[in-house]
Amino acid sequence: AQTVTQSQPEMSVQEAETVTLSCTYDTSESDYYLFWYKQPPSRQMILVIRQEAYKQQNATENRFSVNFQKAAKSFSLKISDSQLGDAAMYFCALDSNSGYALNFGKGTSLLVTP
Amino acid sequence: GAGVSQSPSNKVTEKGKDVELRCDPISGHTALYWYRQSLGQGLEFLIYFQGNSAPDKSGLPSDRFSAERTGGSVSTLTIQRTQQEDSAVYLCASGVDNEQFFGPGTRLTVL
Repeated sequence: AQTVTQSQPEMSVQEAETVTLSCTYDTSESDYYLFWYKQPPSRQMILVIRQEAYKQQNATENRFSVNFQKAAKSFSLKISDSQLGDAAMYFCALDSNSGYALNFGKGTSLLVTP
Repeated sequence: GAGVSQSPSNKVTEKGKDVELRCDPISGHTALYWYRQSLGQGLEFLIYFQGNSAPDKSGLPSDRFSAERTGGSVSTLTIQRTQQEDSAVYLCASGVDNEQFFGPGTRLTVL
């Protein structure tokens, strides 16, 4: 079975500061994909960043980067220079059956304060 | 280009009624997924289509739930005899290359 755990229900960060959201997962597959999605109040799930397990290099997308620790099955998201528009629910997700369903964590609500 | 669209955006129904939720995927995407998101929860997988066939229906919570996809494009999720516990946001996604692109969802409220 595949599981995804987000241990931080809520996080808060000041504008322009850096915040890290945690995610751990479990899978018996050796090749898989990991994702972070952002869900603002509009409900639209927006892909923030993806990581392929066979790649050792951590993925980055502008102010968003991940710390992927395959042996520890850890996949944290770092948001640098936080902006008010970053406030949303963030979901970590695992795809370990190539093309099948994503397994989602329960999410972390990120609050950004001025 | 156009993204995934879903209709209706919101649906309020009475307990016991049937509802149909529609998903229009991104053109050319062969994979289509339905998820359910209950209040304050993550996403729960319901069903997956590859083309018109559904190799994985394992997530459908009961036989009141069914889904079909025609022409490898539009999909409909039907919930018969709705119950209050069916109230949730129903999200559709279409996919290619191990990425899923989500629609805005349908918020279903069963009174």
